[in-house]
Amino acid sequence: GAGVSQSPSNKVTEKGKDVELRCDPISGHTALYWYRQSLGQGLEFLIYFQGNSAPDKSGLPSDRFSAERTGGSVSTLTIQRTQQEDSAVYLCASSLLRGSQHFGDGTRLSIL
Amino acid sequence: AQKITQTQPGMFVQEKEAVTLDCTYDTSDPSYGLFWYKQPSSGEMIFLIYQGSYDQQNATEGRYSLNFQKARKSANLVISASQLGDSAMYFCAMRENSNTGNQFYFGTGTSLTVIP
Repeated sequence: GAGVSQSPSNKVTEKGKDVELRCDPISGHTALYWYRQSLGQGLEFLIYFQGNSAPDKSGLPSDRFSAERTGGSVSTLTIQRTQQEDSAVYLCASSLLRGSQHFGDGTRLSIL
Repeated sequence: AQKITQTQPGMFVQEKEAVTLDCTYDTSDPSYGLFWYKQPSSGEMIFLIYQGSYDQQNATEGRYSLNFQKARKSANLVISASQLGDSAMYFCAMRENSNTGNQFYFGTGTSLTVIP
């Protein structure tokens, strides 16, 4: 499709397990963002990739969180040793350098 | 200081009336962009309208307009002729066009309910 694609759409896992969330941005978009949104809350910035520049990781809440963007396209957000407070919707967005963000439908992560 | 401030956690408006959702921002960058997004209960984030810091005129997109007051650092969203489908969360966001990147900052959102 032409939009931002995220997978899986839903993920339920046990506390302590590792999870990987995938984001496939719009082709040609150089910027990619990850956000976290807890129920009824605003967007919490996690990490930002722009072209070949070093990512802005300033929003990652702990060292259990990491993200990669391979070949300037697909990105994977990894959460290690998940905790219950990690339960949230994880949103990915992409944009051109000066464009508006286009969001995926998110991954709803539930930690049991 | 908060980069984006939305002071109205919840708003109600009568169908067919106009409503203004407030947003103030804080930046020292001369070049920046302001955005409004709509998030219905289904969860997707929908881009509504954009205003550039150098734009001379207020942005308009159909029933949406952005009341840009640069000196006051405000970028209020005006929705005219409200419809039931406008009920959603609305987020104001800013992108600073700095040399170090294009960080986006989001406000905490305003929940709009349109009353029939």
